[in-house]
Amino acid sequence: NAGVTQTPKFQVLKTGQSMTLQCAQDMNHNSMYWYRQDPGMGLRLIYYSASEGTTDKGEVPNGYNVSRLNKREFSLRLESAAPSQTSVYFCASRVTGGIDTIYFGEGSWLTVV
Amino acid sequence: QQQVKQSPQSLIVQKGGIPIINCAYENTAFDYFPWYQQFPGKGPALLIAIRPDVSEKKEGRFTISFNKSAKQFSLHIMDSQPGDSATYFCAAHFSSNTGKLIFGQGTTLQVKP
Repeated sequence: NAGVTQTPKFQVLKTGQSMTLQCAQDMNHNSMYWYRQDPGMGLRLIYYSASEGTTDKGEVPNGYNVSRLNKREFSLRLESAAPSQTSVYFCASRVTGGIDTIYFGEGSWLTVV
Repeated sequence: QQQVKQSPQSLIVQKGGIPIINCAYENTAFDYFPWYQQFPGKGPALLIAIRPDVSEKKEGRFTISFNKSAKQFSLHIMDSQPGDSATYFCAAHFSSNTGKLIFGQGTTLQVKP
């Protein structure tokens, strides 16, 4: 049981390049999330998807787009990477309904030079 | 109003000590307060959580104290061990079904042998 799987784990981009972070969960969860983690800032929500076919902005959505491809997969796209997007990105998922544990992936380290 | 403020930023204790991490919030719509533990290179994992109708919750060596009137809650780690060295995040959940968590800034704990 893999839980939440993110790829790639490490990536270096040049300013202006685009890339997509992939996330998949095998727990049949309805809700999925993308967070970024920066020193001294905690984890900040970028986008979330409460269910397949829906997405909503979080606290820091600018510069990002997301796609909820199906129930399992939720991708995060940087269309034109900027150095300010250098961060660790975490995908997470949970069952919708009630308050349950949110499960996080192991993170994707992104550096924009 | 959506912020969760966490302190201290870092903490060093000796083995057997009782580190205390504090969090404060403003939005009374929050209805669930989890703590997450994160080891280097890993994603955060749920440690313990509390609802605002309870003043204290214990799970093993970890205790949450909750003061609803002061809008503050704290994590106490009894008989701390070097294996507890990690980053700890408090979080708060909104009264909705989206499962969005608002995280504190994080506390890096080091427990010295």
